[in-house]
Amino acid sequence: DAGVTQSPTHLIKTRGQQVTLRCSPISGHKSVSWYQQVLGQGPQFIFQYYEKEERGRGNFPDRFSARQFPNYSSELNVNALLLGDSALYLCASSLSGQGVGEQYFGPGTRLTVT
Amino acid sequence: RKEVEQDPGPFNVPEGATVAFNCTYSNSASQSFFWYRQDCRKEPKLLMSVYSSGNEDGRFTAQLNRASQYISLLIRDSKLSDSATYLCVTSGYSTLTFGKGTMLLVSP
Repeated sequence: DAGVTQSPTHLIKTRGQQVTLRCSPISGHKSVSWYQQVLGQGPQFIFQYYEKEERGRGNFPDRFSARQFPNYSSELNVNALLLGDSALYLCASSLSGQGVGEQYFGPGTRLTVT
Repeated sequence: RKEVEQDPGPFNVPEGATVAFNCTYSNSASQSFFWYRQDCRKEPKLLMSVYSSGNEDGRFTAQLNRASQYISLLIRDSKLSDSATYLCVTSGYSTLTFGKGTMLLVSP
């Protein structure tokens, strides 16, 4: 069975640009969460979506937005990129959206902002 | 105060050694607890869940003390392949909260 997939794997953008990252959860999983991991830190929660609805939002500015599609895949959008947005962006899927249980991570998208 | 605190290490141990990691968490409403393992430039992978009664998976033993808000991981008979960063994780309603991780380096 395929695990969580993310695209692209690497991305280089310049300040002020916009980026869209994509994630497909494990088949049968209805919840997708997004995390940002900067070097030397643990992943930080950005969003959780379940059945196309936002279930949770971390402490990130409004430049960050996301959505979930009927097939449970998800996109994370970041507008007006800053140098500090350079990080590994991780998507995780889980079976349900209530009371977080085990989450399974994709390989991530490494974003570099220059 | 950070929500989940861990000693970043690195812990340098020889093969065969026993090593213990600890972490503390500040949110008493946390519902579930986990240890994740992360290899360099890879995604985190679930190592094990942590229960108050303690749980063991082969060479790995995890323990939760809710009263002290303290989580531990014990690795016995360390292998070279155990070298990684170990992330202590708590969960609430909709999110996982990660510590910074503890780096373990196992040498021959």
